[in-house]
Amino acid sequence: DTEVTQTPKHLVMGMTNKKSLKCEQHMGHRAMYWYKQKAKKPPELMFVYSYEKLSINESVPSRFSPECPNSSLLNLHLHALQPEDSALYLCASSQERRGEKLFFGSGTQLSVL
Amino acid sequence: DAKTTQPPSMDCAEGRAANLPCNHSTISGNEYVYWYRQIHSQGPQYIIHGLKNNETNEMASLIITEDRKSSTLILPHATLRDTAVYYCIVRGGWGTDKLIFGTGTRLQVFP
Repeated sequence: DTEVTQTPKHLVMGMTNKKSLKCEQHMGHRAMYWYKQKAKKPPELMFVYSYEKLSINESVPSRFSPECPNSSLLNLHLHALQPEDSALYLCASSQERRGEKLFFGSGTQLSVL
Repeated sequence: DAKTTQPPSMDCAEGRAANLPCNHSTISGNEYVYWYRQIHSQGPQYIIHGLKNNETNEMASLIITEDRKSSTLILPHATLRDTAVYYCIVRGGWGTDKLIFGTGTRLQVFP
C-alpha cells in the first residue's frame, strides 16, 4: 500500500462551522505534512509532524488546528474559517530518514462560504 | 523561500524528449534535488530525486551538473499525459526538512 488517503474529497462549509479533514497512510511513515494550495499557485507548507509531535508550524492562523492521534492518521480541524481559506488542502507523508521522498494524497477541495 | 529557478513554461512534441532545466546555484552539500509534477487539481506526484549522481527510473532521468548548481529532468518520450506543472525542489537531507515548492514549469505536450 503506497497511498495517502484524504477524506473528504470535497467540503463546503460556512464561516461559523467546525469541520475536520482526515489523512491516513499505512506505509509506516513517521513524518506527516499539511499543505495548502490556492488556485494556480504552488502548494504552501502549513505543518509538519514527526513521530506524532508537531515539529514545524509555518505561522498558520489558529483557526487551523492540526492533530496527529497516531502514526497513521493526521487531522486538520477547521473553525471560523474565512472565504479566503478556500483552497486545495494536501496531506503528505514520508519516512523519517535522510533523502526520502514525500507521498502526497489527492487533496480535499475546500470551499468556505 | 524556494531555492530554485525554472522557466515558467515549455512545449514539447509528443514522442520527443522533454528536457526541463532547473537552476539551484545556492544548493548546499547535504541538499537533494527533487522533482515532482502536478496534473490539474491532483496531488503532486513524485518523479525522481538525487544528491550528486545522475539518476534514472521508469519515469525519467535526472542529470545534475558536477558543481550541483543546476539540473535537468529528462522525460525520454513525452506523451500527452505528461502535460503538467513540473516542480524542481531543493531539500535538506533529513526526514522533516521542508519541501518548499517554487512556481514550477508548465509543460505542454502537443500532438
